[in-house]
Amino acid sequence: QVQLQESGPGLVKPSETLSLTCTVSGGSISRYFWSWIRQPPGKGLEWIGYIYFTGSTNYDPSFKSRVTMSLDTSKNRFSLKLNSLTAADTAVYYCARGGLGTQKYFDYWGQGTLVTVSS
Amino acid sequence: EIVMTQSPATLSVSPGERATLSCRASQSVSSNLAWYQQKPGQAPRLLIYGASTRATGIPARFSGSGSGTEFTLTISSLQSENFAVYYCQQYNTWPITFGQGTRLEIK
Repeated sequence: QVQLQESGPGLVKPSETLSLTCTVSGGSISRYFWSWIRQPPGKGLEWIGYIYFTGSTNYDPSFKSRVTMSLDTSKNRFSLKLNSLTAADTAVYYCARGGLGTQKYFDYWGQGTLVTVSS
Repeated sequence: EIVMTQSPATLSVSPGERATLSCRASQSVSSNLAWYQQKPGQAPRLLIYGASTRATGIPARFSGSGSGTEFTLTISSLQSENFAVYYCQQYNTWPITFGQGTRLEIK
């Protein structure tokens, strides 16, 4: 059974950079697309972007200037960096596994980690 | 960007009855449409992909239909654990987009 687990700080200051890691167990990261999705409190889901196991990335235009994703196949994990944070970036951040090829729906999700942007 | 619009925002249904949730895309997404269920404090759970294929372990009372721009998620004979928020997601065209959600509540 594939499991994903987010890790990172729960509180970040405005203008700083958020760094989150998603560790994958029960399956190899060396296939599939791996995404970050966030959910502001009381609101809907926002796709941030994905990274393919080859290292190629694709970001939502809303985040493109601020986001970087990377992966470490040796540790079976992938990461998100989001800079220039504001209060609007306060959200639960999920990592998720996308499908193969064009099938970019999300079949496995982490439990989510709440990130609060506040001084 | 393809805008996904779900209706209604809130749906009140009695246990044992049928619920029909709608999702409309601002342009065609073919059959590249997924549905998710989210309960409070939990991550979303994949229900349907390819517009009509149930994900592993999803009971048969969940069914999806549609293609192009109009999609429906039907839950027959609602059970207590089915009351949650449901999201649709298109993955036909970059960027991936979600609907705003439909809250399914007990009547």
